[in-house]
Amino acid sequence: RKEVEQDPGPFNVPEGATVAFNCTYSNSASQSFFWYRQDCRKEPKLLMSVYSSGNEDGRFTAQLNRASQYISLLIRDSKLSDSATYLCVVNTNAGKSTFGDGTTLTVKP
Amino acid sequence: DAGVIQSPRHEVTEMGQEVTLRCKPISGHNSLFWYRQTMMRGLELLIYFNNNVPIDDSGMPEDRFSAKMPNASFSTLKIQPSEPRDSAVYFCASSPDRYYGYTFGSGTRLTVV
Repeated sequence: RKEVEQDPGPFNVPEGATVAFNCTYSNSASQSFFWYRQDCRKEPKLLMSVYSSGNEDGRFTAQLNRASQYISLLIRDSKLSDSATYLCVVNTNAGKSTFGDGTTLTVKP
Repeated sequence: DAGVIQSPRHEVTEMGQEVTLRCKPISGHNSLFWYRQTMMRGLELLIYFNNNVPIDDSGMPEDRFSAKMPNASFSTLKIQPSEPRDSAVYFCASSPDRYYGYTFGSGTRLTVV
C-alpha cells in the first residue's frame, strides 16, 4: 500500500462545477499536510496547507480528518485555469514529505 | 525574491558521462530537497538537507548519485556515471523549515542517451 493515495482521476468537469478530491495517508504520525498544483511540464506549486480545523482560500476548501487519515480539497465554481494536476502531500514528524501521484482535473467550457 | 534557481534547465548527455545539477535555494530557507519526477514513479524524494546537513538520503537510488550542500546558498546533485534510466525531471525545493510547504525550482530535464 502506498503511503499517500489519491483519487485516480481524471476528473473532467464543466466550468462552474464543484469538484472534490480525496487523499488518504497511512502514517498516523504524519504532522503536516498540503495541497500542491502542477501544470503540465511545470514545477509543483504550493496551493494551500491543510489545518485540523479545515481552512478556506477563496474557492478552495481543505479539510483534514485525522481519525480516518484523509484530507480533501474542494474547488467551487471551477474555472478553466483550475485545470492542472493536484498533488496531496503528507509530512511525517521527521520532516519527510511524501507526495501522492496526483489527480488530474480538466475544466471544460 | 528570485525563487529557487536551478541549472541547467535541460541536459542531454551520453550514457556513462557525469552530470551535475545545481540549485540555489531561497535566501533564509533552512531546508533543501532534491526530488526526481517520472511518469512511472511520480515525485520521489532523493535527499534533503537541514541547515546544510544531509538528514535523509534514503531515496538516493544508488552510489552513482551524490549530493552536497557546501553552504546555505548552493547545492549540487551529481550522477556518475549516468544511465538512460536516470532520465527524468529533477526538482530542487527549499523551505523555511522542513515542516512548511516548499517552493520548487523550475527543474532540470535530464535525458541520458
